Amino acid sequence: QVQLQESGPGLVKPSETLSLTCTVSGGSISGSYWTWIRQPPGKGLEWIGYISSSGSTNYSPSLKSRVTISLDTSKNQFSLKLNSVTAADTAVYYCARRERSTRDWTNWFDPWGQGTLVTVSS
Amino acid sequence: DIQMTQSPSSLSASVGDRVSITCRASQSISTYLNWYQQKSGKAPKLLISAASNLQNGVPSRFSGSGSGTDFTLSITNLQPEDFATYSCQQSYNTPYTFGQGTKLEIK
Repeated sequence: QVQLQESGPGLVKPSETLSLTCTVSGGSISGSYWTWIRQPPGKGLEWIGYISSSGSTNYSPSLKSRVTISLDTSKNQFSLKLNSVTAADTAVYYCARRERSTRDWTNWFDPWGQGTLVTVSS
Repeated sequence: DIQMTQSPSSLSASVGDRVSITCRASQSISTYLNWYQQKSGKAPKLLISAASNLQNGVPSRFSGSGSGTDFTLSITNLQPEDFATYSCQQSYNTPYTFGQGTKLEIK
């Protein structure tokens, strides 16, 4: 059973870079799409972007200029970098696998990591 | 971007009740609609994919319906563990977007 676990600093200063890693266990990172999603305190979920196991990426237009998602297949990990952060980037950050049906191409997020709170503050 | 609007934003119900939550997309998304359950301080959990496909291990009291722009999540015979926040999500195109969530509380 695939499990995901986020790791990284819980506090980042304004204007600096937020860096998080998601470690995938119980299965290979190959053959799937891997996603980052965030949730500001008390608010809804926001999709950040995904990376395929071949390294192709797709980012939310609202964050595209500041986001990089990368992959390390040797470590079964993928990572998120978000630069020039402000207080508005304070959120719980989740990693998840994007699954897709081969029958009708519908897709969904499952499983999810437990999430990690990142606070942007000086 | 496709906007997802859920109603109501919050809902009070009692154990044993039947409730429905609605999700409306700003454009047609066929059945590219997923439902998640999120308990306080926990990650979302996938309940239903492709509008009506119940995930393995999810109780049959949960069901989903709809296509196009209007979707419904129904829960019959509410159990104490069902009180949580429910969010819809469109996977028709990127950027993937979520509804604002519906908080289901005990009356």
